[in-house]
Order: sequence, then C-alpha cells, then structure tokens
Amino acid sequence: KQEVTQIPAALSVPEGENLVLNCSFTDSAIYNLQWFRQDPGKGLTSLLLIQSSQREQTSGRLNASLDKSSGRSTLYIAASQPGDSATYLCAVKTSGTYKYIFGTGTRLKVLA
Amino acid sequence: ETGVTQTPRHLVMGMTNKKSLKCEQHLGHNAMYWYKQSAKKPLELMFVYSLEERVENNSVPSRFSPECPNSSHLFLHLHTLQPEDSALYLCASSQETGTLATRTDTQYFGPGTRLTVL
Repeated sequence: KQEVTQIPAALSVPEGENLVLNCSFTDSAIYNLQWFRQDPGKGLTSLLLIQSSQREQTSGRLNASLDKSSGRSTLYIAASQPGDSATYLCAVKTSGTYKYIFGTGTRLKVLA
Repeated sequence: ETGVTQTPRHLVMGMTNKKSLKCEQHLGHNAMYWYKQSAKKPLELMFVYSLEERVENNSVPSRFSPECPNSSHLFLHLHTLQPEDSALYLCASSQETGTLATRTDTQYFGPGTRLTVL
C-alpha cells in the first residue's frame, strides 16, 4: 500500500532564504508525482508534475526532483517570498490507476 | 467561468438533512474526482469518474452518493451525515486518456465546499 510522507510538517523561514521540502513514498512503481500548493481554506494549485521517467522539473523559482529508486522527491524554492506562504502537498499517482495518494503537507511561512 | 467551480462554498446541515454538492469543470477534461480533506489528515480520494463512468470507489459510506450526468458536471449527494463528515470537499478534473501529446494528468482543483454537520 502506497504511503506518502512529507517532512517537515511546518517550516518558518525569513524572506530570501532558499529552502527544500521533502516528500517520500513507499512504493516506487509510480506513474508520476505532483507538487501542489494550497492556500488556507482554498483548493489546490498544481505547481509541478514529474513523470516517472523524468528526474526533475522547473518552473520559475521552483525546482522539483524525483528519485524513484529511493522513493524521494524534493521541492526546492529559491529566494523565498512572503507570497510563498502556503501548505505544499506532494501526491503520487500509482501506475495503472486514477488514484493520487497525498502526503499531509508542509505548512510554510515566509517572514517579511 | 473558467477552471473548476464548486457550489456552495459553505454548507451547514443537520444530520437528518439531504443536500447536494455541485462541481463543474470548464476545461474539456474527461475525468472528475471527489476528495475529502479533514484537519491534519491527507486528502482522501472518494470517487473517480472517467468518461462519466465510476472507476474508483474507495470504501466510502453509502451516505455519500456521487452522480456524473456528463463529463462537465459532478455531484455529491449527502444524506444522514455524521459530525465526523465535516470537512472540506474538493472536486478536481483531469485529462486522463488520449495520446502522449494530449494527456496532461495534471489535476485541476476547485475551491472546495466547507461542510459542517451539526
């Protein structure tokens, strides 16, 4: 049974700092991995999607990497800003299914 | 309207009420999802519809009843709910079939319905 874990659960950093959020999963037979952002009381916004054959994806100040063999993904945020404050969720899609398994998220606060 | 919309945004209901949540996607996608998000728990997938056919049903209590009349609309009918059903209910859509050139797999979420069961 696939399980997704995100560490840390919460993180508070000063503005401008580079930071790394971690996601680990137990079953390496994944189809893809997706990082989402969720603002309080709102829906999820997709940030980056990495297919199982890819190693990383980049969008602006965000870079996500995937190491299937070790069951890990990282989301790197460069030069963090107060507007980056949100909960970041990692989700893994198992091959051959429609199901995404989500982690519990990392709640990020960037201080001005 | 663009993207994925959900109504109502907030709902308070008693345990004996019957209500429905509505989701509409304007993205031309062919798969739609219902998720439940409770405090301090991961998102839980409830139902998946692909081409208006239910393809996943994750042991959800029968007091939750989904309906997908067409590829753009998804409903979640609620009756005799329990207080522990209070949560944020999120709808999402994606394009799950097609060629590699057209398949995106990215899920697009609506803003959710905050449900409180008294």
